[in-house]
Formats: sequence, C-alpha cells, structure tokens
Amino acid sequence: DTEVTQTPKHLVMGMTNKKSLKCEQHMGHRAMYWYKQKAKKPPELMFVYSYEKLSINESVPSRFSPECPNSSLLNLHLHALQPEDSALYLCASSRFGLAENIQYFGAGTRLSVL
Amino acid sequence: KQEVTQIPAALSVPEGENLVLNCSFTDSAIYNLQWFRQDPGKGLTSLLLIQSSQREQTSGRLNASLDKSSGRSTLYIAASQPGDSATYLCAVRPMGETSGSRLTFGEGTQLTVNP
Repeated sequence: DTEVTQTPKHLVMGMTNKKSLKCEQHMGHRAMYWYKQKAKKPPELMFVYSYEKLSINESVPSRFSPECPNSSLLNLHLHALQPEDSALYLCASSRFGLAENIQYFGAGTRLSVL
Repeated sequence: KQEVTQIPAALSVPEGENLVLNCSFTDSAIYNLQWFRQDPGKGLTSLLLIQSSQREQTSGRLNASLDKSSGRSTLYIAASQPGDSATYLCAVRPMGETSGSRLTFGEGTQLTVNP
C-alpha cells in the first residue's frame, strides 16, 4: 500500500473561518510534508516533519499551522487566510534518513478562500 | 541556489511516437533525481527515482537517464499513448539534507498524446 490519503478533497472557506486539512499514511514513513501548488506551477514546500517533529518551515505565514499528532497523521490548521492562499495543498510522505526516499503524494485538497 | 529547468514546457505528439523530456539542474551536488507525473487537479505520482551514482532507471515504457556532471536528466517514453497525457515534473534532492527531503522541482512539461 503506497497510499497517502488527504481530506477533504475540496474546501471553500471565508477569510474569518478556521478549518483543518488532514493527511494520513500507513506505510510506516517517518517524514511527512506539506506543499502548496498554484495553477500551472510546481509544488512549493511549506513544512517537513521528521519523527513527528517539525524540521523545516519554509518561512510560511503563521496563518498556516501544521501539526503531527502521531506518525501516521499530519494536519494543517488554517486561520484568517487570504484569497491568494487559494491553491492545491499536497501532502507527501517518505522513509526517513535514506538516500532512496521516494516521496509519495496524496491527491491533494483544493482550497478556495473567498 | 539550485535551479531546475524543464524543456519543452509543452509537447503535443501523435499516438505511438517515442519522445524525450528534458530536465537540467544547476548544482550537481544531489542525492537523487525523481520524475513525477501529475494529472490535472490531482496529486503527483512518482515514476522513477535515480540515485546520484546511477546512470539510468527503467520502468515499463519509461526510461530515465542521469548525467550528474553535466546537470541533465532525460525521460524517454516509448510508444506513447493518449493515457500518457499529463504534466511531467522532475525534482532533485540536494545533498546535505538529512532531516526529511527538500525537493527542488522544475516547472514541468505538459504532454498531450493525440489519438
């Protein structure tokens, strides 16, 4: 099983709302990632968790708050977003600390901020 | 700063044609290079991963090569089919990263295979 599951698939929210994106994997991977992808652009890394600890934050605004409650689950909490935050949010996971660490991606959450 | 370039940006071919997608990167200090496929509005599917010590990898009709010293990789697709239509992205993993994996992506090549 090489599946990364993201929920919800689509999300529409207002600028004052609080919502969360969820990502789950059961491959025993200890590295998990959040990416943001705008239309016709490559994914941009936002956060990396290694062994449930935040190891990389690519200077993401604080209105995005990641959380890794256990080794299988990754959340992204959203608050006071702007319309320019509308994008496809992708989660990925990989084995940790190996040269051959293929990243497996979920199908993404399409976020629209009104 | 590592930069990854993919040429061409878009490609349209008739079914059955063999084709080559190109990826170049500016810093040869990489662990590996990965080719992905992305269908519209979907996530990324890993196609092939080449370690820095390898020259090529094959999977079915796909063959990826890596020339690290010149900073180039190619993805060869044999006997293309309409189902191959998608955006193809290459990404490099820089050396020195031990906590997780910071990938640098190219902008992608949008492939259309016409029946």
